[in-house]
This record gives sequence, structure tokens and C-alpha cells, in this order.
Amino acid sequence: GENVEQHPSTLSVQEGDSAVIKCTYSDSASNYFPWYKQELGKRPQLIIDIRSNVGEKKDQRIAVTLNKTAKHFSLHITETQPEDSAVYFCAASNANDYKLSFGAGTTVTVRA
Amino acid sequence: GAGVSQSPSNKVTEKGKDVELRCDPISGHTALYWYRQRLGQGLEFLIYFQGNSAPDKSGLPSDRFSAERTGESVSTLTIQRTQQEDSAVYLCASSLGAGDYGYTFGSGTRLTVV
Repeated sequence: GENVEQHPSTLSVQEGDSAVIKCTYSDSASNYFPWYKQELGKRPQLIIDIRSNVGEKKDQRIAVTLNKTAKHFSLHITETQPEDSAVYFCAASNANDYKLSFGAGTTVTVRA
Repeated sequence: GAGVSQSPSNKVTEKGKDVELRCDPISGHTALYWYRQRLGQGLEFLIYFQGNSAPDKSGLPSDRFSAERTGESVSTLTIQRTQQEDSAVYLCASSLGAGDYGYTFGSGTRLTVV
């Protein structure tokens, strides 16, 4: 099955700086890569996703990049704000495996 | 409904008792998933339902855990003879289809076994 690794496990950044979270996956058949944000005590929410037919996707201050050859993908948050503080999970799946495999999560803290 | 609804939101039970958790997915979502999240940990897959196909039970940790879903509607996760290690948040999610669709999660049921 798919194995997703996520780094770092914790990340502290100064407000206004950028944050980058990296994930690797093992199954070359994986073709869908979503990112979820989970605020303390709340449900995980989808913030951005990318499919394997594109290399980069951007939505305002967040962007995701995908390198299929290296089997890794990254989340970039620019101009971080205190409300970006949360746990972020990456995940991967494909049409044959139907269920998402999640990374262990990254706790992001934005210092004011 | 507008979102994935789970009940109860919190459940405290005595060790050895059975509990039943409920999930009401978004209307039209054919895929439904149960995950477990222990305090400060990641998301552990438990079981998956897709339409009328046989469910994927490969993530269930023991035979004390079972789940049912009628068609594309409500699902129930049952834990028999609860143990303290069952304490966790149980998250349900639904999606339009299997494989490459994002999940919408419910708010979860926080289960505490005392």
C-alpha cells in the first residue's frame, strides 16, 4: 500500500515569513494529492489539492508543487498570518487504492 | 445535508461497554470513510464504503470493531467491549467517489473510555 512521509513534524515561523512542508510517497500509481488543515479541536478541512497531470497549483497565499519523478510534493504558505497556525496533513491516493493515505502531520505555529 | 454530520459529539463510556457512533454523509456522496485520530496523532484508516460494494475493512484494529452502511446513507461504527486504548476522536468523511476526490470530514466523535 501507499506510504506517505511528512516533514517537518513541527514548524515555527515569524508572521509574514513563508512556511514549507514536504511529503514523499511510495506508490508511483498515486495521482491525487490533497492537503488538509486541522485547527485545534476542529475537523480537518481540505485547503488545496493537486492531480498528477499538473506540476503546480496556487490559491492566494498557498501553493502546492508536485515532482512525480522524485515522488514528492510540497505545500508553500507565503506571508504567514496567526490564523495559519494549525496542523497540516498531506495525503495521497489513486483510483485503484480509493482511500487516502495521510502523512503524520506538521504542527505550524506562526509567531506574531 | 450541507455537511457530514456525526453523533454524538462526545461519548464517555465505561470499559467493557459497547458504543455506537453515527455518521450521516453529504447527500450524493457515494464513498464514506471512518478514521481514528488519537490525541496529537495522525489519521488512522479504519473502514471504507463505496456504494453497494463490499466494504474495505482492512483498517479495523480488532474484531471488536464493526461498521455498517445502508446504501449511500447513514453509517454506524460499533465498538464492542471498549478498552481504554479505544479512546480517540473517530472521524467520518465522505466524498463524491473513490480514489481521487477530496474528503469532507465530520466534526468527529470524541470517545473517552474510563
